[in-house]
Amino acid sequence: AQSVTQLDSHVSVSEGTPVLLRCNYSSSYSPSLFWYVQHPNKGLQLLLKYTSAATLVKGINGFEAEFKKSETSFHLTKPSAHMSDAAEYFCVVNDPTKTSYDKVIFGPGTSLSVIP
Amino acid sequence: GAVVSQHPSRVICKSGTSVKIECRSLDFQATTMFWYRQFPKKSLMLMATSNEGSKATYEQGVEKDKFLINHASLTLSTLTVTSAHPEDSSFYICSAKKGLAGEGQFFGPGTRLTVL
Repeated sequence: AQSVTQLDSHVSVSEGTPVLLRCNYSSSYSPSLFWYVQHPNKGLQLLLKYTSAATLVKGINGFEAEFKKSETSFHLTKPSAHMSDAAEYFCVVNDPTKTSYDKVIFGPGTSLSVIP
Repeated sequence: GAVVSQHPSRVICKSGTSVKIECRSLDFQATTMFWYRQFPKKSLMLMATSNEGSKATYEQGVEKDKFLINHASLTLSTLTVTSAHPEDSSFYICSAKKGLAGEGQFFGPGTRLTVL
């Protein structure tokens, strides 16, 4: 069975410092992995996705993530946090098997706070 | 592009009434759409998978007679919350699957339901 773990429920960084949001997954198949961001009372925005191509994936707004199969991780990073990055971040794994209709599983989320 | 819209964005209703939420894929056809529920400060919980022209597949614990799903066309799925009660108050988010397996889903902006 697939699962997604986000080790930190809350991360707080100072503006201009690096951001690291951790994600680990378990999957019986070759998964697709995604990071989404959700600002308060808003929908989800796709930051980036890994679909078995390059293991280092660059996304929008300066975010990137590295797929490490040996560590079953897909951590999200950004070199320098901006105030507008404060939001909820979800790591998501996709099971591309036919019978699952391409369902995705959401991690519990990490709330990122950015201190001025 | 891959834009998914939801209508309404916010609805307030009285207990005992029914509420319909629409999910539309604006620039692509979606044979499969998904409905999620999100409680405050929580992750998204998959409620059901909606397939065009067939019955929806509900997740365990989700009452199919309570949450009626209709996927009448390749661009529209509706979720009707029947006989709504205050505990049904939540943020409902739909998503649509585009293209091949593993490409993930595109999410709507969500609908905030408040039942008085």
